[in-house]
Amino acid sequence: EAGVTQFPSHSVIEKGQTVTLRCDPISGHDNLYWYRRVMGKEIKFLLHFVKESKQDESGMPNNRFLAERTGGTYSTLKVQPAELEDSGVYFCASSPYRQPTQETQYFGPGTRLLVL
Amino acid sequence: RKEVEQDPGPFNVPEGATVAFNCTYSNSASQSFFWYRQDCRKEPKLLMSVYSSGNEDGRFTAQLNRASQYISLLIRDSKLSDSATYLCVVNPGEGGGFKTIFGAGTRLFVKA
Repeated sequence: EAGVTQFPSHSVIEKGQTVTLRCDPISGHDNLYWYRRVMGKEIKFLLHFVKESKQDESGMPNNRFLAERTGGTYSTLKVQPAELEDSGVYFCASSPYRQPTQETQYFGPGTRLLVL
Repeated sequence: RKEVEQDPGPFNVPEGATVAFNCTYSNSASQSFFWYRQDCRKEPKLLMSVYSSGNEDGRFTAQLNRASQYISLLIRDSKLSDSATYLCVVNPGEGGGFKTIFGAGTRLFVKA
């Protein structure tokens, strides 16, 4: 079974540019999560989709971040315009069940974003 | 105070040693608890879930003390391959919006 995949693996952009990250969850997983780890800090929750609906987006830093999951399959996370403090590793995770509290989340390899 | 706190380490131990990691969490209503392992520049991977009754998986034993809001991970007979960062992870459940909370991780180096 294919795992969670993320694209691109690395992205280097200039401040003010736009970047779109993509996550393909494990097939059939309803729950999809985005997380971010900035240098020296712990992994932080950004948002949670259940199928195509945003269940919780309280972790999104500001309105420069937009996540979508059209059709309930893959998801994109767009940063526009990017700022220096957006640099970090963006992880996507998915899990299969309706009730997410007890279940395992499977993580993708992450996208390393560097904003110059 | 952080919601999930861990000793950052690093822990430097010889092969065969027993090492214990601790974690505390602030939300007493938290529902689910996990230990994840993260290798350098890799994604986190689930090591084990943590139950109130305690659970064991080979050389790894996890314990949860809800009264003290404390989670532990014990690794026996350490192997070189156990070198990694160990993340304490807490899910607050419905009351906390299911937002998974990660500790900053504890680094372990196992030496030959």
